[in-house]
Amino acid sequence: NAGVTQTPKFQVLKTGQSMTLQCAQDMNHEYMSWYRQDPGMGLRLIHYSVGAGITDQGEVPNGYNVSRSTTEDFPLRLLSAAPSQTSVYFCASSWREGTDTQYFGPGTRLTVL
Amino acid sequence: GIQVEQSPPDLILQEGANSTLRCNFSDSVNNLQWFHQNPWGQLINLFYIPSGTKQNGRLSATTVATERYSLLYISSSQTTDSGVYFCAVERGGADGLTFGKGTHLIIQP
Repeated sequence: NAGVTQTPKFQVLKTGQSMTLQCAQDMNHEYMSWYRQDPGMGLRLIHYSVGAGITDQGEVPNGYNVSRSTTEDFPLRLLSAAPSQTSVYFCASSWREGTDTQYFGPGTRLTVL
Repeated sequence: GIQVEQSPPDLILQEGANSTLRCNFSDSVNNLQWFHQNPWGQLINLFYIPSGTKQNGRLSATTVATERYSLLYISSSQTTDSGVYFCAVERGGADGLTFGKGTHLIIQP
């Protein structure tokens, strides 16, 4: 199993550009989520999904969209990038929400100029 | 929301030393995990431990759920143990993990 994979590893955007961060898992997990990590801080939840077709907002959802058309994939879209979105983004998955080990991808380092 | 506090924030030790990292949380939880973030940024699962004690090699963890704290023990530290150790908790439902700010551990040769 590849586990949780993320692409790209690094990305530089200009303010106002849009892009999609990709996340995929091959463990047939129902629960997937996106976090961002800012310097000197722990991770904060952006959006999550409890299954295909179901998504919801986390702690810091503004400026991001998600969709879950398949169990395996959970892309994160930045609609109009802002410098405040410069961060490291992690995708995670688990069998179910709330009471299960969550597995994290390697992260995407995003810089918005 | 639930609060997670980790201590100490920074810790510098010599190779071979033992250490104890603490995580306090403000509410009952159904999930507690310890992670190691290595210098390359990868988050590595160490323990899933909402209660009880677990051991894995030189690492062990104990969670006392009734008193709302967890401890991570590292024995005979190695330079590869350096990095940031995060505690993260989840109350249940789909709210995701709430992370502490981490303990930055440096093991010197």
